[in-house]
Parts: sequence; structure tokens; C-alpha cells
Amino acid sequence: DGGITQSPKYLFRKEGQNVTLSCEQNLNHDAMYWYRQDPGQGLRLIYYSQIVNDFQKGDIAEGYSVSREKKESFPLTVTSAQKNPTAFYLCASSITRAWTEAFFGQGTRLTVV
Amino acid sequence: AQKVTQAQTEISVVEKEDVTLDCVYETRDTTYYLFWYKQPPSGELVFLIRRNSFDEQNEISGRYSWNFQKSTSSFNFTITASQVVDSAVYFCALSRDNYGQNFVFGPGTRLSVLP
Repeated sequence: DGGITQSPKYLFRKEGQNVTLSCEQNLNHDAMYWYRQDPGQGLRLIYYSQIVNDFQKGDIAEGYSVSREKKESFPLTVTSAQKNPTAFYLCASSITRAWTEAFFGQGTRLTVV
Repeated sequence: AQKVTQAQTEISVVEKEDVTLDCVYETRDTTYYLFWYKQPPSGELVFLIRRNSFDEQNEISGRYSWNFQKSTSSFNFTITASQVVDSAVYFCALSRDNYGQNFVFGPGTRLSVLP
């Protein structure tokens, strides 16, 4: 089945550690996105990529980094510089035709302990 | 700057009641798209509908209907004869730019349908 796979579903991290969230898609989509979801705040864009080896900062990129070495993969690293990393992280993808809907993964819930 | 407001944080209804979820948006773009997504407890967002700024016709899909009014910058979503499976968080979203490749989301409305 085509879709977006995020792993792990739950992740615990100690303060001061970097952690990488995985996102893989087999939809052959060129565009991929990372969103952060906090209670009552909706989704906020962290980074997005419209093509391999290229990505752009979103609204809240500070403390995060990404790479896009393969079309299928868009991993997100939450660095120790991120002040409040505990959140629900959603990865999405879409074709690059304007105004098409995005397809989402099931998310990773990151908790800093 | 674009903004989406969903004033209803949480709504509870009893099964078979009709419920309307409000969405008000702000944009200076003349061409834009609006979306509704559903987030069930499993976590992923599920696309429900896309509407462009030039099409103000109401849309009906089964028990779901959408009312787009540019005059009031609103794109409201009505569920008729609600069911327990409709319980979820619903997000309204607005295309961010002319290329439309990323979006501004509202804060979401949590709908609980009680049996």
C-alpha cells in the first residue's frame, strides 16, 4: 500500500540529546513537509522540501535540521538547541502541482525526559 | 499574512445531531485554496475537501457539506446526522502562497459525538 511511514511512534529523549525522526514515503511525491503539533495550536511548519537535495525553513525551524538525500526520505533531527521539543510531529508529502492536498503520516510523539 | 481561525475549541453532540464547525480565514491573495482535514485518534490527518477562491458553490458529500462565503471569509463544515466515528479533531487550512505548496492551519476543533 502507498503511504507515509513515520517511525518511531513514540520517542523519549533526555535533555541535551539530539534525536532523529524518520519519514519515508512510497507515493513518488516530490514535496515533503514536517509539521509540529501542540495542543490548541494546530500545525506549524518546520521545514519543507520540494525536490531532492533542497529544503526550505518553515515558521519554526530553529533547533531543527533536515536532509533530503533521497526522494522517499525526509528525516528530521531535533537538536539540543530546540528549547521545547516535546510535541507531536507529523510528516507529509504531496505532488508539486499547485494547491494539491498533502498526505500525512501517523506522527511521532516526542517526549523529553 | 495568512491566518485561519477556528473559534470552537471543543464541541460535543449526541449521535444523530447535526453539527457545524466554523472556519474564518484572512488572506490578501486573490487566488487561494482552503482545505479541511480530519485527525482521528490514530494521529494522521485525512484530507476531506479542497475549495478554490473562485468557486463559491456549496459542496455536499454524503453527510458532509461545506459552505464557502468569500463575503464573510468563512468556510464552514457541517456534519449531518453525526456518528460516533466522526469524533476527531478537524482542521481548516489555507494555502500559504501562490504556489500553494504549504499551508497555514487553524488550531483545530475537537468534535466528540456521544452515543
